[in-house]
Amino acid sequence: DAGITQSPRYKITETGRQVTLMCHQTWSHSYMFWYRQDLGHGLRLIYYSAAADITDKGEVPDGYVVSRSKTENFPLTLESATRSQTSVYFCASRSGTSGGYEQYFGPGTRLTVT
Amino acid sequence: LAKTTQPISMDSYEGQEVNITCSHNNIATNDYITWYQQFPSQGPRFIIQGYKTKVTNEVASLFIPADRKSSTLSLPRVSLSDTAVYYCLVEGIGTGGGNKLTFGTGTQLKVEL
Repeated sequence: DAGITQSPRYKITETGRQVTLMCHQTWSHSYMFWYRQDLGHGLRLIYYSAAADITDKGEVPDGYVVSRSKTENFPLTLESATRSQTSVYFCASRSGTSGGYEQYFGPGTRLTVT
Repeated sequence: LAKTTQPISMDSYEGQEVNITCSHNNIATNDYITWYQQFPSQGPRFIIQGYKTKVTNEVASLFIPADRKSSTLSLPRVSLSDTAVYYCLVEGIGTGGGNKLTFGTGTQLKVEL
């Protein structure tokens, strides 16, 4: 399917477990982003990537790890999940070339840490 | 980071024009201003983007004053389906220092009959 997809869509995990959220885009966009969305905070940037093997921290990176070995994939790992990481996670991608810098968002992953 | 401030909520009626203003006092020279719309249980969706003056597309207009410290999203003749949360994003476009993105907390627009 064309576009940007996230998996799983829903995940329940226990405190201390490692969990990986997947993000895949079919446009070959150079930029990819991970956000979390919590009530009262809007969208906050966790990490972003400008290209394969290039990643950088956003506003709230603590407790998260990212990698980008292929342009189309940008997984987000919670190494030891905590209850404060219960949130909705959105992945997005964006072309890095001129002509428009709009981000395309995935459908989100609702993560609950018990 | 360019912090943005928006009204928390706005109410309107069908057929009216709605203007939502976003403050971004610390906007940098290379930053663009983008507005997104989000419905419940969905990811945000692009509405419009601009750098200065006025931009118009088929769904909205974006007004940016000369000092670029604020911007106003204008939705003409809203309908019930425009009920959503609207986010203002100041987006740094460029290389080198990377892209620093700051979403506002969003404005919940409620449109009634």
